[in-house]
Amino acid sequence: DQQVKQNSPSLSVQEGRISILNCDYTNSMFDYFLWYKKYPAEGPTFLISISSIKDKNEDGRFTVFLNKSAKHLSLHIVPSQPGDSAVYFCAASESGNKLTFGGGTRVLVKP
Amino acid sequence: DAEITQSPRHKITETGRQVTLACHQTWNHNNMFWYRQDLGHGLRLIHYSYGVHDTNKGEVSDGYSVSRSNTEDLPLTLESAASSQTSVYFCASRQGRTGELFFGEGSRLTVL
Repeated sequence: DQQVKQNSPSLSVQEGRISILNCDYTNSMFDYFLWYKKYPAEGPTFLISISSIKDKNEDGRFTVFLNKSAKHLSLHIVPSQPGDSAVYFCAASESGNKLTFGGGTRVLVKP
Repeated sequence: DAEITQSPRHKITETGRQVTLACHQTWNHNNMFWYRQDLGHGLRLIHYSYGVHDTNKGEVSDGYSVSRSNTEDLPLTLESAASSQTSVYFCASRQGRTGELFFGEGSRLTVL
C-alpha cells in the first residue's frame, strides 16, 4: 500500500509556463514533506520542503503548497525552464524520520 | 568537499551470487539509508542506520543486509542475487534524524 502517491507519471509544459506537480498521501501522521529533483544517471537532489505547521513555502521559482485536510501537496514551478526537465519525487516523513517517497513525475519543459 | 560515493556504479551479476554495493560518506553523518528505484515505485527504503552498529529494516528488506562498523560506510549486501533485485540503488545520508537527505549517484545492478 503506497502511502505517498504521485498520480501523474509525466507532465509536458511549455517554457515560461507554470508546472504543477501533485502528490497525495494517506498517513495522517506525516508532518514533514519534501520535493526532490532527479536528472538521469544522478542521485536525487533536495529541492524544497514544508512542515505541516505551514501551508505554503516558497524558494525562488519553486513553491510548495500543503493541504492537510485533503492530504495533498503540490509543487509549482514558475516560470518553467528547460533545465527543469527531470523526474520529481515527493517524500513524506513522520516526526522527521525516514522518508517515504512517491513514484515520481517526469517533467519535460519544451523550449 | 565532503561527499557521498557509491561503488560500483554498474554491476552485472548472475542469479545466486553474492553482491556487495559500497557506500562511503565523508560528512560524518550519523544516519545512512539505502533505497532502490524502480519504475512506478519511486524510491523504496531497503535498510537504514542511525549510527555505528545500528541497523534497521525498511519496507523492502528481504534478501538484503547491511552492517555499520564505522560512521563513514554502510555496505549493502545481496546474499543470493535474484532477478527481482535488478534495480538502481541509492545510498543517502544526513546528520540528524530530520531534514533533507543527501544522495549518492546510484549503483545500477543487473541480475541475469
